[in-house]
Amino acid sequence: GEDVEQSLFLSVREGDSSVINCTYTDSSSTYLYWYKQEPGAGLQLLTYIFSNMDMKQDQRLTVLLNKKDKHLSLRIADTQTGDSAIYFCATGFQKLVFGTGTRLLVSP
Amino acid sequence: EAGVTQFPSHSVIEKGQTVTLRCDPISGHDNLYWYRRVMGKEIKFLLHFVKESKQDESGMPNNRFLAERTGGTYSTLKVQPAELEDSGVYFCASSQDLTVYGYTFGSGTRLTVV
Repeated sequence: GEDVEQSLFLSVREGDSSVINCTYTDSSSTYLYWYKQEPGAGLQLLTYIFSNMDMKQDQRLTVLLNKKDKHLSLRIADTQTGDSAIYFCATGFQKLVFGTGTRLLVSP
Repeated sequence: EAGVTQFPSHSVIEKGQTVTLRCDPISGHDNLYWYRRVMGKEIKFLLHFVKESKQDESGMPNNRFLAERTGGTYSTLKVQPAELEDSGVYFCASSQDLTVYGYTFGSGTRLTVV
């Protein structure tokens, strides 16, 4: 079946850039997503990218897609303590396949 | 606009008991989804309703799980009898159109089976 993998943990200092990586197996994935979950909250869609794109930028967020290697990354520029959360990579159209989530810890 | 509401937010039950989780989607959203995250693992799809009909229930783990959406409004997910491995966070999401970027997730129900 489809599989999405992420590293479990990332720690950065405030003001640095964070890069969260994800690999997936489904080559037919049309949409790829990044979700954010803050403590006690639901999943918030941060951004998504179509499979025919290589890059998408949205303010401090940059998504890079390497379709050949089935690799997706999320870069957060000027990371703030409020960015501390779990970040999930997901693929799919109607039905999402998620990774395990990467816990981002931002220290002052 | 009210978001997707789930309750209870937390539930602790003993193995063998029954628990019913509820999800109130955003008003007017025909599509309703259930997902769950077992501790430390990936979030997995359980099922998808379109109005009151089950469109896709391929992710339901076994027949101890029963989902309903009578009248096409709120949905319930019943676990009977609960087992230890059912512990996790159960998320509900709703959308009006059929695109995932139209999803809105609820904050989840944390279920602990002891």
